Amino acid sequence: DTEVTQTPKHLVMGMTNKKSLKCEQHMGHRAMYWYKQKAKKPPELMFVYSYEKLSINESVPSRFSPECPNSSLLNLHLHALQPEDSALYLCASSQAGNTAEQYFGPGTRLTVT
Amino acid sequence: AQSVAQPEDQVNVAEGNPLTVKCTYSVSGNPYLFWYVQYPNRGLQFLLKYITGDNLVKGSYGFEAEFNKSQTSFHLKKPSALVSDSALYFCAVRDMMNRDDKIIFGKGTRLHILP
Repeated sequence: DTEVTQTPKHLVMGMTNKKSLKCEQHMGHRAMYWYKQKAKKPPELMFVYSYEKLSINESVPSRFSPECPNSSLLNLHLHALQPEDSALYLCASSQAGNTAEQYFGPGTRLTVT
Repeated sequence: AQSVAQPEDQVNVAEGNPLTVKCTYSVSGNPYLFWYVQYPNRGLQFLLKYITGDNLVKGSYGFEAEFNKSQTSFHLKKPSALVSDSALYFCAVRDMMNRDDKIIFGKGTRLHILP
């Protein structure tokens, strides 16, 4: 199984809402990633978890809060977002180590109204 | 610091012709290089990577890439383009000297295969 799943596919939320994005992989990967992607741009790294510990936070605003409950799951909790946060949010996973390719989920299309 | 450049925003190729999507990189140590493809409203899909060894790397869907250390390039190629190859292509690099899990993506090149 080389699939990374993400739910929901689409999310519309107001600026005062709290919502969560979910990501799951069953490839035994020990590194998991959150990216934000704007239209026709490359993915921008937000967070990296390595062996279930947060290893990289790319100075992301605190209205985004990641969580890694176990080695297969990755969540992104959203609160008080701004319209400019509207984007495609991609989850990825990989074997640990810097030679490993990343496997991406299909993404959650987030719209903040 | 590591960086990767994709000099072309868009590449147009007639179906059946060979295609090349260009990528150059800059790293302090030795590079680990990757190509990904993204179809509309989808996540990125891994195509191929260069870690060490043979400079010509073969990947998915008939794609290949050639690592050229002297020119610091890793161009993506395919001998005969298909309309279904039309997508957004990203080159990415990691520096062997970095111990973190960060990968640097190029800005992307849109490949348009003309029927």
